[in-house]
Amino acid sequence: NAGVTQTPKFRVLKTGQSMTLLCAQDMNHEYMYWYRQDPGMGLRLIHYSVGEGTTAKGEVPDGYNVSRLKKQNFLLGLESAAPSQTSVYFCASSSQVNTEAFFGQGTRLTVV
Amino acid sequence: QKEVEQDPGPLSVPEGAIVSLNCTYSNSAFQYFMWYRQYSRKGPELLMYTYSSGNKEDGRFTAQVDKSSKYISLFIRDSQPSDSATYLCAFTGSGSARQLTFGSGTQLTVLP
Repeated sequence: NAGVTQTPKFRVLKTGQSMTLLCAQDMNHEYMYWYRQDPGMGLRLIHYSVGEGTTAKGEVPDGYNVSRLKKQNFLLGLESAAPSQTSVYFCASSSQVNTEAFFGQGTRLTVV
Repeated sequence: QKEVEQDPGPLSVPEGAIVSLNCTYSNSAFQYFMWYRQYSRKGPELLMYTYSSGNKEDGRFTAQVDKSSKYISLFIRDSQPSDSATYLCAFTGSGSARQLTFGSGTQLTVLP
């Protein structure tokens, strides 16, 4: 049982480049989330989805876009990367009936 | 004022010590109270979860919630080196998306 899988695990981008982070879950969860984690700031919600085809903004959505074309996948896009987007990104999923969120292993992104 | 305030640490204790980790919150809509544990370079994992005031025990761990004071705590008895991790308090309401609001985390080191 893989749970939540994030791809890639590490990435270095130059300012202005674009990239997509992929999150896949095999638990048939309805809800999926993208968080970023920065030192001293905990995890902050970027975007989330309550079901296939739906997305919504979280606390820090600027500079990011998301899509959920399939229930098991949640994509996070950076159209024009900035050094302020250097962070560790975590994807999570949860079900409608259970509050527990399951997290992926994270993607370490550095923008230079 | 931030929605969640967590003692920042870091905290270093000898093996066998009792550890107390604390968070305060301001959002009265929070109904579920959680503690996540995050090992270095890993994703957070749920440690304790409760929705009512009072204490909940699970082995060496006790979660305490005081809704009237908007204060939650996690106690670790007989701490072990394997407990060395960052502990994050997390909150969510009864809204449709169940997105989590996290504290900034407390880094704990248990010395052998």
